[in-house]
Parts: sequence; C-alpha cells; structure tokens
Amino acid sequence: DQQVKQNSPSLSVQEGRISILNCDYTNSMFDYFLWYKKYPAEGPTFLISISSIKDKNEDGRFTVFLNKSAKHLSLHIVPSQPGDSAVYFCAASPHGDYKLSFGAGTTVTVRA
Amino acid sequence: ETGVTQSPTHLIKTRGQQVTLRCSSQSGHNTVSWYQQALGQGPQFIFQYYREEENGRGNFPPRFSGLQFPNYSSELNVNALELDDSALYLCATGDRGQETQYFGPGTRLLVL
Repeated sequence: DQQVKQNSPSLSVQEGRISILNCDYTNSMFDYFLWYKKYPAEGPTFLISISSIKDKNEDGRFTVFLNKSAKHLSLHIVPSQPGDSAVYFCAASPHGDYKLSFGAGTTVTVRA
Repeated sequence: ETGVTQSPTHLIKTRGQQVTLRCSSQSGHNTVSWYQQALGQGPQFIFQYYREEENGRGNFPPRFSGLQFPNYSSELNVNALELDDSALYLCATGDRGQETQYFGPGTRLLVL
C-alpha cells in the first residue's frame, strides 16, 4: 500500500526557471514531511522539511508548501540550476515516529 | 556530507547465501535505520535500532535481522538470500523523537 505518491516520474526544466515537484499522501497520521535529493551512486541527501503546523517552509532556493486538507505537498526550486538535476524523493512520518514512508521519486533534469 | 559510511559498496551473492552489511556514523546520532531501495522505487523501511534494540520494523520477514553496537554502528544481516533481495540497502541515522534521518551512500546487493 503506497501511502506516499509522486505521480510524475520525471520533470525537465530550463535553467533559471522554476521546478515544481508534487507529492500526495493518504495517511492522515502523517504530520512531518521531508524532501530528499539523490544523485547516482550516492545516498539520499536531506533537503528541506515541513511540520503539519505550517503550510510553507523556505530555505534559499527551495520552498515546500503543504496543503493538509488536500493531503498534498509540493517543492519549488527557484531558480533551477544544472546541479539540481537529480532524483527527488518525498517522505512522510507521523510525529516522533521512527519510520519514513517514501514516494517513488521524480527525476529532475535541468537543461542549459 | 552526512558522516554516515557503509561497507561494502557493492556485493554479489547467490541464492540461499547469507550477507552482512555494515554502517557507521560519526554524527553521534542514537538511532540507526535500514531501508531497501529496489530499482525505480523509493526506499522501504526495514527496521530501526535504538539503544541496541529493535525499535520498529517494516514489512520484512525475520530473515532480515540487525544489530546496533554501543558506538552506534550497525549491521544488517540477511539470511537465505532470494533474487528479489537484489537492491540498494541504505543506512540512516537520526535522533530518537526526531523525524529527519541522514543517509549513507548505500550498499548495492546483487543476488544471482
């Protein structure tokens, strides 16, 4: 049972433009959400997170938006850079829980 | 750089064999979790260890077992290997009660 879904397997965006990655979840117990970035032959790297008490969290070029009523979150990358080309995973967890549930990932390609 | 290291980087085994994967961290985090990432999928939670005891388990059979040592390093053992065990195995560290986990580069296991 896939509780976290990333329905777009890939995204291609021009350098300097905005990348928008989407994620949906089904488990209403989830209240902490994370985005990880993964390059080939490396482990996932923590990017940004958001708690369910917020609807937006920003860190430099990265902003995560949370819509609890729709059980939907998105990651915005502005402006996109060639080094952003990677696989991005959405993950979720109940508060203080030990288990992260991941989506299948979205491969982002930033074109020069 | 997460300070989480895993060994070996790659491993080839045959069906029915046993394998031990290792994880160490310089971060001082007190929990260690193991995830399995099959090709084209997101990481799937196997189990977590805290204070040298299993602290939670995902939908994996008992032939997947682990250890955590006093210095917080960890081992993942898989007995009676099956072809479907071929995957990237990721170790992640964190602090108990905190959702964010930090991943190592993974061990890629191929079962023939």
